[in-house]
Amino acid sequence: DTGVSQNPRHKITKRGQNVTFRCDPISEHNRLYWYRQTLGQGPEFLTYFQNEAQLEKSRLLSDRFSAERPKGSFSTLEIQRTEQGDSAMYLCASSAQRTGANVLTFGAGSRLTVL
Amino acid sequence: AQSVTQPDIHITVSEGASLELRCNYSYGATPYLFWYVQSPGQGLQLLLKYFSGDTLVQGIKGFEAEFKRSQSSFNLRKPSVHWSDAAEYFCAGWGTSYDKVIFGPGTSLSVIP
Repeated sequence: DTGVSQNPRHKITKRGQNVTFRCDPISEHNRLYWYRQTLGQGPEFLTYFQNEAQLEKSRLLSDRFSAERPKGSFSTLEIQRTEQGDSAMYLCASSAQRTGANVLTFGAGSRLTVL
Repeated sequence: AQSVTQPDIHITVSEGASLELRCNYSYGATPYLFWYVQSPGQGLQLLLKYFSGDTLVQGIKGFEAEFKRSQSSFNLRKPSVHWSDAAEYFCAGWGTSYDKVIFGPGTSLSVIP
């Protein structure tokens, strides 16, 4: 068990560019979550997958954001035409969800800075 | 709507002093609650969880939390704080449909040597 891995850890980009973050969850975990965290705030839910199916998307996830989990393993979060307001820490978490609640295990996050 | 609140934005304590961080939740059903800790530039580490049973739960690093349904609270405590406890602490809970975990805004803890 190597934990949840996120890459890159830090991305600096210019406004208008596209960026993609990758998350590798714990291998036996069927659920994968993306959260966004801005400075001084708690993590805000963006979206989650159960296996390869994207089951819910937050209203925070504008049309410029897209997330995929093509084979139910790793996931990517792409932001197109980045804006300065997209600057944040993007956190990925996974869990072994069967019925009811379970524990989310988080990665170290990917910090995005949009200049 | 389900929510988790943390009334204290920032707390400063002296090393060796006791600590209590407050958390309140609003849920209709039995909540499933967590405390996470985040060091600067790092992800979230689970300190403890409450799913059911004993309302006093023990966690890692000497932390404990008590679930009080009558007060809708899940406060985090530690009897003696160490300088390494300085971090951001988040209370969180599952939504009633178990689709996502909702986080509070966090409490920043500073420890004075």
